[in-house]
Amino acid sequence: KAGVTQTPRYLIKTRGQQVTLSCSPISGHRSVSWYQQTPGQGLQFLFEYFSETQRNKGNFPGRFSGRQFSNSRSEMNVSTLELGDSALYLCASSPGPSTYEQYFGPGTRLTVT
Amino acid sequence: EDQVTQSPEALRLQEGESSSLNCSYTVSGLRGLFWYRQDPGKGPEFLFTLYSAGEEKEKERLKATLTKKESFLHITAPKPEDSATYLCAVQASFKSGGSNYKLTFGKGTLLTVNP
Repeated sequence: KAGVTQTPRYLIKTRGQQVTLSCSPISGHRSVSWYQQTPGQGLQFLFEYFSETQRNKGNFPGRFSGRQFSNSRSEMNVSTLELGDSALYLCASSPGPSTYEQYFGPGTRLTVT
Repeated sequence: EDQVTQSPEALRLQEGESSSLNCSYTVSGLRGLFWYRQDPGKGPEFLFTLYSAGEEKEKERLKATLTKKESFLHITAPKPEDSATYLCAVQASFKSGGSNYKLTFGKGTLLTVNP
C-alpha cells in the first residue's frame, strides 16, 4: 500500500506571498491532519479534515487554512507568509476521524525569505 | 493545557548499551499515548500505541511502558540504525467529555548510537 505523499517536498517563498501544499492520504484513509514542525516548538497541530469537513483546529492564525476533497486529498494554504512560517509541514492520515494511529508523510520543507 | 515533556533532549549511547527515554504528560481525558520515530528529513514513523496504565508493547529492541503520569521507551542493546529522534504524543479530548481528539507532541529525544 502506498504511503502518504506530499507535494512539493521543498519550497522557497518570499515574505508576503502565499503557498499551497498538497497531501494524498493512504488509500482508504478518510481523515487528514496537518502539523507544523519547527526546532523550537516541535510538532504542532494545525487542523484535521474528515469527509471534506474541518473537525478540529489548532492555535494558529487565520492565515493558515485548508480543505479536503471528495477523494480525501487535502491542501493547506498559508497566506501573507512570514519568516516565522518557515518549517516542515507534515500531513498525517488515518482511517477515520480522531483515529488512534496516524501515518505521516515525508513533509514539505517551506523556507520563507 | 495539555503538556508533554520528553527527557533527555539528547542521548548518546554505545552500541549494545541499553537505556530508557522518558515521556511525562499532563492531560485530561487521556485516550492514548503514542511513540514515533523520526529520521532526519522524514516524517514520523509510528511505533506504538499505549492505552492504559500498566500496558507494555514490544518491537524488536524497543519496549514501551505506560503509567498514569509517564511512559518509558526502553532500548535494549541498541544498534547504530536505532539512531533517530523519538517522539512521544498523547491523544486527549479537545473538550472534556467530547469526541474530538487531538495529538499533543513532546519535543523529542535525539538518540545517537555509536558503533
